[in-house]
Amino acid sequence: GENVEQHPSTLSVQEGDSAVIKCTYSDSASNYFPWYKQELGKRPQLIIDIRSNVGEKKDQRIAVTLNKTAKHFSLHITETQPEDSAVYFCAASDGSGTYKYIFGTGTRLKVLA
Amino acid sequence: DTGVSQDPRHKITKRGQNVTFRCDPISEHNRLYWYRQTLGQGPEFLTYFQNEAQLEKSRLLSDRFSAERPKGSFSTLEIQRTEQGDSAMYLCASSLRTSGGPGLNEQFFGPGTRLTVL
Repeated sequence: GENVEQHPSTLSVQEGDSAVIKCTYSDSASNYFPWYKQELGKRPQLIIDIRSNVGEKKDQRIAVTLNKTAKHFSLHITETQPEDSAVYFCAASDGSGTYKYIFGTGTRLKVLA
Repeated sequence: DTGVSQDPRHKITKRGQNVTFRCDPISEHNRLYWYRQTLGQGPEFLTYFQNEAQLEKSRLLSDRFSAERPKGSFSTLEIQRTEQGDSAMYLCASSLRTSGGPGLNEQFFGPGTRLTVL
């Protein structure tokens, strides 16, 4: 079946440093890639997304890059703050038309003050 | 709160009992998804509705699971004869399919129903 791999599973950075999370996907028909942030006990919240016709998108301290050829996409957080600490999930839409998401296994980010 | 809501937020049941969860999507959203999330994992797709039609079911959805969206608004997910392996967070998400649009619109998630089967 379709698969999304996500690395690393945990990431600790000092406040102010950058964090990078990487994902690969298997469905070549996937054309939408959202990133969700999930704090403990809360619902997943979209933080940024990218469509397959774009290679990079930035929103303040958050950016996402997409390499369709390699089927890689990455999340970049600059100037990290303690409130960035959470679990981050990448996802890829399936290409079948339902647009359901195939999620990665998550990255637990800890920003150390 | 105009977001996606789910009820109950927590459910503890004994093995073998039936449980039913409810999801109320954002009012104008015509697409509704159910996902299951176990500890330390990402959400896994269970089933999808467009309006009242259930268009796809995952192989994860055994015959003990059934979902409905009778009027194209709220949805229910029922699990019959619960097993300990059903313990998980059940998430509902909704999105809007706009006519002529790309079809790829953000899914908004509800807070989830945490099921514990003893």
